[in-house]
Amino acid sequence: ETGVTQTPRHLVMGMTNKKSLKCEQHLGHNAMYWYKQSAKKPLELMFVYSLEERVENNSVPSRFSPECPNSSHLFLHLHTLQPEDSALYLCASSQEGLVAGEAETQYFGPGTRLLVL
Amino acid sequence: GESVGLHLPTLSVQEGDNSIINCAYSNSASDYFIWYKQESGKGPQFIIDIRSNMDKRQGQRVTVLLNKTVKHLSLQIAATQPGDSAVYFCAENIGNYGQNFVFGPGTRLSVLP
Repeated sequence: ETGVTQTPRHLVMGMTNKKSLKCEQHLGHNAMYWYKQSAKKPLELMFVYSLEERVENNSVPSRFSPECPNSSHLFLHLHTLQPEDSALYLCASSQEGLVAGEAETQYFGPGTRLLVL
Repeated sequence: GESVGLHLPTLSVQEGDNSIINCAYSNSASDYFIWYKQESGKGPQFIIDIRSNMDKRQGQRVTVLLNKTVKHLSLQIAATQPGDSAVYFCAENIGNYGQNFVFGPGTRLSVLP
């Protein structure tokens, strides 16, 4: 148990559906991330939030919309996805700013396995 | 058409032997590296990390070696156990904001009884 939880663990949706993935971290961290892990590519960073502000958006299609209402919660809103968006979506968190300019360890949740039909 | 998955290198070792998993990284300016273990159906789990001002770091049964000259990272697992069977990823922090990690494709470790 890493202290990062994700719901749902599995999700099947049609291309016209709207759904949301939820992530919650219980570690007191100030940064949260969304990653995509598919069978065809290494783990890909999608979004980074630090102190609830988005600081990174790696050219992710607009059908993925993140939301970070507070430092403990992160959502990924999904709308009109494509079958190629089927993947494992992982949330991670870290504590930034312990030492200026230094990156810190990211802790991952178990992921949401998404299947788009 | 047929779906082609990511082809992972596979390392098979006998239980009790030592394992060495290698990773080549891309950015000579990367200053922080992490090894993760991912078991089937789970998210990546932190194993050990190392900063670029070090060339070796030891944990419990694991050692990470960093060779900045050739941009190479390795993970050594002593006395490999069946529970070590998993996919192992290296991640390098390529900087900018400070939390921009690039992950390798992973190596699948299979422990033989």
